[in-house]
Amino acid sequence: KQEVTQIPAALSVPEGENLVLNCSFTDSAIYNLQWFRQDPGKGLTSLLLIQSSQREQTSGRLNASLDKSSGRSTLYIAASQPGDSATYLCAVTIQGAQKLVFGQGTRLTINP
Amino acid sequence: NAGVTQTPKFRVLKTGQSMTLLCAQDMNHEYMYWYRQDPGMGLRLIHYSVGEGTTAKGEVPDGYNVSRLKKQNFLLGLESAAPSQTSVYFCASRSGETQYFGPGTRLLVL
Repeated sequence: KQEVTQIPAALSVPEGENLVLNCSFTDSAIYNLQWFRQDPGKGLTSLLLIQSSQREQTSGRLNASLDKSSGRSTLYIAASQPGDSATYLCAVTIQGAQKLVFGQGTRLTINP
Repeated sequence: NAGVTQTPKFRVLKTGQSMTLLCAQDMNHEYMYWYRQDPGMGLRLIHYSVGEGTTAKGEVPDGYNVSRLKKQNFLLGLESAAPSQTSVYFCASRSGETQYFGPGTRLLVL
């Protein structure tokens, strides 16, 4: 059974710092991995999607990497801003399945 | 486009009561999903549908039923609510590899 873990559960950093969020998964037979953002009381918004054949994806100040063999992904946020404060979730699509398996999320707070 | 909408936004039930949560999407997507989100546990898949008239069980289906009579709607039913079903429920639809989420329904079962 695929399990996705995100550590830490919460992270607080000063504005302007670069930071890394971590995601690990137990079964390397994934179709893709996605990072989502969730603001309090809201739904999820997709940030980045990495195919299993890719190593990384970039969007603006965000860079996501994928190491399938070790079952790890990281989300790098450059020059953090208070507006980046949110919960970030990673999720994998299992090969042959039509569904996502989510991690528990990391609640990120950027302090002005 | 309204995207994915959920009705109601918030509901309080007593144990044993029944209710139906409605998810609607106007993007003509085939795939639709119901998740629940509990503190510290991320999102867990309850049921999903790969097209009109089809449904399938997810990770935590017990105590819930679903129907997809129309392509644009995916209904989640609780026949006899229990306190363990207190949660935030999210609906999503999928196009290609991207899932689009609704704003959620917060359900409290007393």
